[in-house]
Amino acid sequence: GQSLEQPSEVTAVEGAIVQINCTYQTSGFYGLSWYQQHDGGAPTFLSYNALDGLEETGRFSSFLSRSDSYGYLLLQELQMKDSASYFCAVRGKSNYQLIWGAGTKLIIKP
Amino acid sequence: EPEVTQTPSHQVTQMGQEVILRCVPISNHLYFYWYRQILGQKVEFLVSFYNNEISEKSEIFDDQFSVERPDGSNFTLKIRSTKLEDSAMYFCASNDGTGPYEQYFGPGTRLTVT
Repeated sequence: GQSLEQPSEVTAVEGAIVQINCTYQTSGFYGLSWYQQHDGGAPTFLSYNALDGLEETGRFSSFLSRSDSYGYLLLQELQMKDSASYFCAVRGKSNYQLIWGAGTKLIIKP
Repeated sequence: EPEVTQTPSHQVTQMGQEVILRCVPISNHLYFYWYRQILGQKVEFLVSFYNNEISEKSEIFDDQFSVERPDGSNFTLKIRSTKLEDSAMYFCASNDGTGPYEQYFGPGTRLTVT
């Protein structure tokens, strides 16, 4: 089956850079997605990596190493509005299912 | 910008009652999903739906759950006999089918079973 591990909580300072890690175990790997969820809100898609390397989208970047079964989300120039939970997710048994990690709560201090 | 909508935003029901949660996916999307999230916990996949039938379902999605696309726009989740442990936020999501990786979520329905 599929399982994902993320730190439960990460704390950083406004303006700094933070990295949120995700390791996964899957019976077949097709890519790693990242979602952001603010308290009381819905998950919002951030990025998807199917191949090794770094994908950059503005202040957010996502990295994947398939050989290490590992990825991370990098947030630069942190803003208070980035305080949220961040989830990594992988395809499940079929192309119709997404399996989610437990999420990392990002706390940003001024 | 098109968005997924869900109604109601909050539903309170008594244990044993039936509830129907409603979703309107983005109009040109073909794949629809329901997820559950107990407060402070992970997002749990329930079911996916394509071409008027269930594509995949999780162990959570047992006989008390059903989904339906009653018309060209709505997508519903029915829980036949609610239990206390069904209390959670239920999210609907949709995408255009290029894999499950990028999904668009509705704002959710908070279900409280008393």
